[in-house]
Amino acid sequence: NAGVTQTPKFRILKIGQSMTLQCTQDMNHNYMYWYRQDPGMGLKLIYYSVGAGITDKGEVPNGYNVSRSTTEDFPLRLELAAPSQTSVYFCASSDDRINEKLFFGSGTQLSVL
Amino acid sequence: TQLLEQSPQFLSIQEGENLTVYCNSSSVFSSLQWYRQEPGEGPVLLVTVVTGGEVKKLKRLTFQFGDARKDSSLHITAAQPGDTGLYLCAGVSGRGDDKIIFGKGTRLHILP
Repeated sequence: NAGVTQTPKFRILKIGQSMTLQCTQDMNHNYMYWYRQDPGMGLKLIYYSVGAGITDKGEVPNGYNVSRSTTEDFPLRLELAAPSQTSVYFCASSDDRINEKLFFGSGTQLSVL
Repeated sequence: TQLLEQSPQFLSIQEGENLTVYCNSSSVFSSLQWYRQEPGEGPVLLVTVVTGGEVKKLKRLTFQFGDARKDSSLHITAAQPGDTGLYLCAGVSGRGDDKIIFGKGTRLHILP
């Protein structure tokens, strides 16, 4: 099994550009999450989903959007990129209970210049 | 606001030494997870502790959950260069809302 797969690995955006970070998991997990990790700041939850068709805001949702049309996929959309969105983004999934035993992807390093 | 404080922030020690890192809060958690993250990769779950006072061992790593479920420690015996990485603790809220909070991490470097 591939687990949680994120693409792209790296991306540079100009201010105001848009992009979608892709995330797919092949473990049939119900719960999926998007986190951002800034140096020395830990992981902050952006959005999460408890199942296909259901999404909810996390701690830092402003400037982002998500959708969950299938169990496998949970893309994160940045509409108008800003320098404050420079970060490393991680997608994660879990099955047993929400927020338990998270499986993380390898991350997308995004720079907004 | 629930917070998880990890200490120390950075630790650099020689191969073969023992070390302990701490994860502390004033809040009660229903469970606490420890993850290790290597450069360029996502965090990987090491262990979950759920019962106050619980001790779990993973080879040379010993994890303990505090009796009051507010704190946890990770002890590494005879550290090896392969233990190098960022260690994150994450607590799941005991208030019934199931929210998870991550600590900022302890960056561990084992010198050969």
